[in-house]
Amino acid sequence: GAGVSQSPRYKVAKRGQDVALRCDPISGHVSLFWYQQALGQGPEFLTYFQNEAQLDKSGLPSDRFFAERPEGSVSTLKIQRTQQEDSAVYLCASSLSPVDTQYFGPGTRLTVL
Amino acid sequence: GQQVMQIPQYQHVQEGEDFTTYCNSSTTLSNIQWYKQRPGGHPVFLIQLVKSGEVKKQKRLTFQFGEAKKNSSLHITATQTTDVGTYFCAGRAAGNKLTFGGGTRVLVKP
Repeated sequence: GAGVSQSPRYKVAKRGQDVALRCDPISGHVSLFWYQQALGQGPEFLTYFQNEAQLDKSGLPSDRFFAERPEGSVSTLKIQRTQQEDSAVYLCASSLSPVDTQYFGPGTRLTVL
Repeated sequence: GQQVMQIPQYQHVQEGEDFTTYCNSSTTLSNIQWYKQRPGGHPVFLIQLVKSGEVKKQKRLTFQFGEAKKNSSLHITATQTTDVGTYFCAGRAAGNKLTFGGGTRVLVKP
């Protein structure tokens, strides 16, 4: 079946612009995770959903970052007033349950100029 | 908070040789996972270890979970050019959050 998909794959934003990144998880996967991966680093946890409930948002770096999953399927990560330090690859992963294998999407590479 | 460290950061290997990469957590883990990320790609799940002292093999890859459940290792035998990439360990302590290490970048010299 289809894997996790993310769009757009690449996004260039001017500093101060708002961006929205989309994640389509594998159908039926209850859990959805967002990670931020800076160049040359490992993925860093941002936030976690179980169905539509955001159960952990401890990794969001500031109140400019906001994530939602209103119907328990597609999720959107929104970054307001983007800064240069927000430049990274944003990865989405989904799993059948919170402790099952996480399947990653291809990521969205965000470049803030 | 929980920290996961990996060494070495870079591993240059002659094709055909063996190597080991190590992962250490600051806290006891409930389980540990290993992922491989090819250049320009996304992390791909390799394996999960749950039990203390557990050893699992996948062809030329051998994964081990330490007795104290705070460290893990990945050993690759007879390295091939297809092994190129970054290998990440990711530990789960309490809750559902995975903490990734910084990765070991493997380069293979033919």
